[in-house]
Amino acid sequence: AQSVTQLDSQVPVFEEAPVELRCNYSSSVSVYLFWYVQYPNQGLQLLLKYLSGSTLVKGINGFEAEFNKSQTSFHLRKPSVHISDTAEYFCAVSSYSGYSTLTFGKGTMLLVSP
Amino acid sequence: DADVTQTPRNRITKTGKRIMLECSQTKGHDRMYWYRQDPGLGLRLIYYSFDVKDINKGEISDGYSVSRQAQAKFSLSLESAIPNQTALYFCATQSQNTGELFFGEGSRLTVL
Repeated sequence: AQSVTQLDSQVPVFEEAPVELRCNYSSSVSVYLFWYVQYPNQGLQLLLKYLSGSTLVKGINGFEAEFNKSQTSFHLRKPSVHISDTAEYFCAVSSYSGYSTLTFGKGTMLLVSP
Repeated sequence: DADVTQTPRNRITKTGKRIMLECSQTKGHDRMYWYRQDPGLGLRLIYYSFDVKDINKGEISDGYSVSRQAQAKFSLSLESAIPNQTALYFCATQSQNTGELFFGEGSRLTVL
């Protein structure tokens, strides 16, 4: 079984400040990791994914995440946020075996204010 | 046009009514999913299908059923809706190459 813990349900930040959204996972096998973003009144879209290779993954809109196997973490970062980054962010994990179903965390609401 | 289309986008119904949410896709993916989103609970898997002949229960399948009519179509039914099924429902397809999910815009269901 696999699980995902997003440690913060809400992260308030000022515009142009850096931000880190934390994600920890548990799995008995090797995993693939994903971050999705949901803007207000919209569906989810992929921000970035880690499948293999470099542990630092770059995604859309200036976001990046680092896979840390020893700490079973996949934290999402952005050096300078914009108002338009206000959204809910979901971390998800799936195991290697045949691309199993994705398990999602409960989400982190990023609130960017001027 | 969207790759994953859900209908209806919004629906208000009464307790005990039968409801069907439909999903169609043009991605050509074999794998399709139905998730439910509730505030503070994230996305929870209701049912999934790895191909036309395959249907699997997710973590919260009670009170729901599904039908995979074709590779492109996967519908979710609530045989007798109850108020705690009020939620935002998402259909998704999955790439077998990357594992990435592609979501529809969601169907907001309110059960009175």
